[in-house]
Amino acid sequence: AQSVSQHNHHVILSEAASLELGCNYSYGGTVNLFWYVQYPGQHLQLLLKYFSGDPLVKGIKGFEAEFIKSKFSFNLRKPSVQWSDTAEYFCAVNTAGANNLFFGTGTRLTVIP
Amino acid sequence: SAVISQKPSRDICQRGTSLTIQCQVDSQVTMMFWYRQQPGQSLTLIATANQGSEATYESGFVIDKFPISRPNLTFSTLTVSNMSPEDSSIYLCSVAAAQETQYFGPGTRLLVL
Repeated sequence: AQSVSQHNHHVILSEAASLELGCNYSYGGTVNLFWYVQYPGQHLQLLLKYFSGDPLVKGIKGFEAEFIKSKFSFNLRKPSVQWSDTAEYFCAVNTAGANNLFFGTGTRLTVIP
Repeated sequence: SAVISQKPSRDICQRGTSLTIQCQVDSQVTMMFWYRQQPGQSLTLIATANQGSEATYESGFVIDKFPISRPNLTFSTLTVSNMSPEDSSIYLCSVAAAQETQYFGPGTRLLVL
């Protein structure tokens, strides 16, 4: 069965610091990869996604993620975080042609002003 | 992306009772799904709501406990039956065009006493 690992459970950063959140998945076939964000009191929103093509994908609010197939990873990055980036971030994977989304356990990001 | 609403947004229920959660989307979509997010955990897919036929349940979830209806392409309901405190969770519906990105509703926060 698929699994998704997010090793960082809670990350605390000061504003302007750089961010990298890890995401690894276990599936050897073709996958679609997603990062969702949940701001406090709000619902899940899509941050970015990778289906195919350029493995470096850019999303909203200055976030980007890089798909490294050999490492089964899809890490999320942002060069300079803001207080408004405080949220919970979820990595998710589904296999190409399937609909089931498998989620990681989430990483809570706290940005200190 | 589609606009998704859920009702109720939250509820407190007594054990042994049942609650039906509604999910409405503002456009016709191919796929609708129901997820559960238990406290401190990630999202887990309960089932795929199929229009005009029985829902497809994931391992560990059964129709008697979580009956689902989908009478048309824009509406679905999930019932949590014979509730116990262990059913306290956030229940989310999501929608997608076939094999594409899933978008999530705001969730229904359920507390069972």
